[in-house]
Amino acid sequence: GESVGLHLPTLSVQEGDNSIINCAYSNSASDYFIWYKQESGKGPQFIIDIRSNMDKRQGQRVTVLLNKTVKHLSLQIAATQPGDSAVYFCAENGSVGTYKYIFGTGTRLKVLA
Amino acid sequence: SQTIHQWPATLVQPVGSPLSLECTVEGTSNPNLYWYRQAAGRGLQLLFYSVGIGQISSEVPQNLSASRPQDRQFILSSKKLLLSDSGFYLCAWSVGQGYNSPLHFGNGTRLTVT
Repeated sequence: GESVGLHLPTLSVQEGDNSIINCAYSNSASDYFIWYKQESGKGPQFIIDIRSNMDKRQGQRVTVLLNKTVKHLSLQIAATQPGDSAVYFCAENGSVGTYKYIFGTGTRLKVLA
Repeated sequence: SQTIHQWPATLVQPVGSPLSLECTVEGTSNPNLYWYRQAAGRGLQLLFYSVGIGQISSEVPQNLSASRPQDRQFILSSKKLLLSDSGFYLCAWSVGQGYNSPLHFGNGTRLTVT
């Protein structure tokens, strides 16, 4: 399987609890942000995105919060399930009008039964 | 719906041998296409991207090259592999003719150079 995720920060959450995964992004000019989920041996899976003209966006069981003042992004997962166990990472577009995304290194989420 | 296919899933190649990884996208036209490499504990490193047939932008000088012979086909190649080329290679696509759209990834190729 994929060895990505070694030595990553780990968040352990009890099944049914809410999870909050944080990301500090690097470029104040970034105006588009994405959260991905990556399971072992698989490619990253798109979860949710947000543009800089918003500070909150909700999806199914997930919410992304954006704080541009401190360049902080968070992903909230409600009622965490065993299937949510994975590595989560954020991405930013770095600057307006670019095809190049900057990816964080990720956080491993472990769901405890 | 759009799908992305990447193969092979795993590959073991000797040093000095050639490489060809292929990626195809279905269900969309004129996508932006990308090759990334992912190292353990690190973020994804962009290797190449393409906004159209025959257009390739290289991000990192290295032993690899990319080609886009058809609209929805992206190929990563090397003439002679190095040990340092080992890694997890990901192909991705995004909606073309615009920015700020999510990348959609394939399931990757684990390359081991021995």
